[in-house]
Amino acid sequence: SQQGEEDPQALSIQEGENATMNCSYKTSINNLQWYRQNSGRGLVHLILIRSNEREKHSGRLRVTLDTSKKSSSLLITASRAADTASYFCAPEKGIFGQGTTLQVKP
Amino acid sequence: NAGVTQTPKFQVLKTGQSMTLQCAQDMNHNSMYWYRQDPGMGLRLIYYSASEGTTDKGEVPNGYNVSRLNKREFSLRLESAAPSQTSVYFCASSSGMINTGELFFGEGSRLTVL
Repeated sequence: SQQGEEDPQALSIQEGENATMNCSYKTSINNLQWYRQNSGRGLVHLILIRSNEREKHSGRLRVTLDTSKKSSSLLITASRAADTASYFCAPEKGIFGQGTTLQVKP
Repeated sequence: NAGVTQTPKFQVLKTGQSMTLQCAQDMNHNSMYWYRQDPGMGLRLIYYSASEGTTDKGEVPNGYNVSRLNKREFSLRLESAAPSQTSVYFCASSSGMINTGELFFGEGSRLTVL
């Protein structure tokens, strides 16, 4: 399947630090999306990056895509306690990985 | 706008009982999806519907049936619930085809099968 695999599975940082999460996938894609899930809630779309894009920014989020390595990364800069959540990549076809659980300590 | 609405939010069933999870979206989206999420796991696609009148199996369809009643509504039915179906179920919708656009999620339906 086209399931993404996130790494690390869990990440704990201090407020103000940057958080980087990685996603690897297996076959070619047209686009890749990142989602956030707060505890007990549904997923919320963060950003979509197309296969012909290498980097995309949205506020404090920066997503990169390397199609030759079949990998993507999500960088959250200057993290806040409110960023505490699980983050999932979805390399097309509505298939999600197991996610990275991020804890940002105040 | 309400977005994607799921009912019920919580349900407890006994093994062998049946039930239907309801999902409705008010965004005029073509595609709708049902996922399940187990503790510490990502989302697994059960079924999806690319348009009214069509449904397709996802990763884990066994034990489930779906109905795309109209463009707004997509229901998930458990005919004979099993403890392995204890999970949180999420409905989602998107304007485009399954691999082209942003998914909008409901808040989830928490099902326990005893």
